[in-house]
Amino acid sequence: QKEVEQNSGPLSVPEGAIASLNCTYSDRGSQSFFWYRQYSGKSPELIMSIYSNGDKEDGRFTAQLNKASQYVSLLIRDSQPSDSATYLCAVNYGLGGRRALTFGSGTRLQVQP
Amino acid sequence: SQTIHQWPATLVQPVGSPLSLECTVEGTSNPNLYWYRQAAGRGLQLLFYSVGIGQISSEVPQNLSASRPQDRQFILSSKKLLLSDSGFYLCAWSAGQGGNQPQHFGDGTRLSIL
Repeated sequence: QKEVEQNSGPLSVPEGAIASLNCTYSDRGSQSFFWYRQYSGKSPELIMSIYSNGDKEDGRFTAQLNKASQYVSLLIRDSQPSDSATYLCAVNYGLGGRRALTFGSGTRLQVQP
Repeated sequence: SQTIHQWPATLVQPVGSPLSLECTVEGTSNPNLYWYRQAAGRGLQLLFYSVGIGQISSEVPQNLSASRPQDRQFILSSKKLLLSDSGFYLCAWSAGQGGNQPQHFGDGTRLSIL
């Protein structure tokens, strides 16, 4: 079974610190990886996509991918209380087939002011 | 730009009643469409996805069904709701080319069964 694993948290960090969120996946054939943010009671919002090994930066967010270790992470620099949310990791299995993403159960992040 | 509309936002239904939730996408053609359910405090469960008109794949056997009568319209239905059908229902779309595109979600429907 193809799985995406995340620590459910909560991960608590002080305001201004770096928050590090981790995700592992089971299928070595995975081609694309996404991070979504979900505020309580709201729908998930895409914040990062990553397709190649290495780092991808977008503002305060950095996604890191290591396909050999089947590991993807999200770093949030200068964390703000407004970053408090559940972060979902999603992986698209296969090679271009029109399939849905498989989501992890999410990590709840709490940024303490 | 592309937008996705989902309605209603909130719905309260008695056990045994029918259900119809609708989702439409604007600003794109031939999207992949998806229905998810999220129970309180839980992850996303994929219910159905569609790659084209009339093409529906079911991920979880249950008393729900889906239809895609038009390219950018996706409908989730039930003839008789169960208590276990309560949850947050999310429609999503992705671009039709290949399988590596992200999904974009509507605002969701919060369904409560009494």
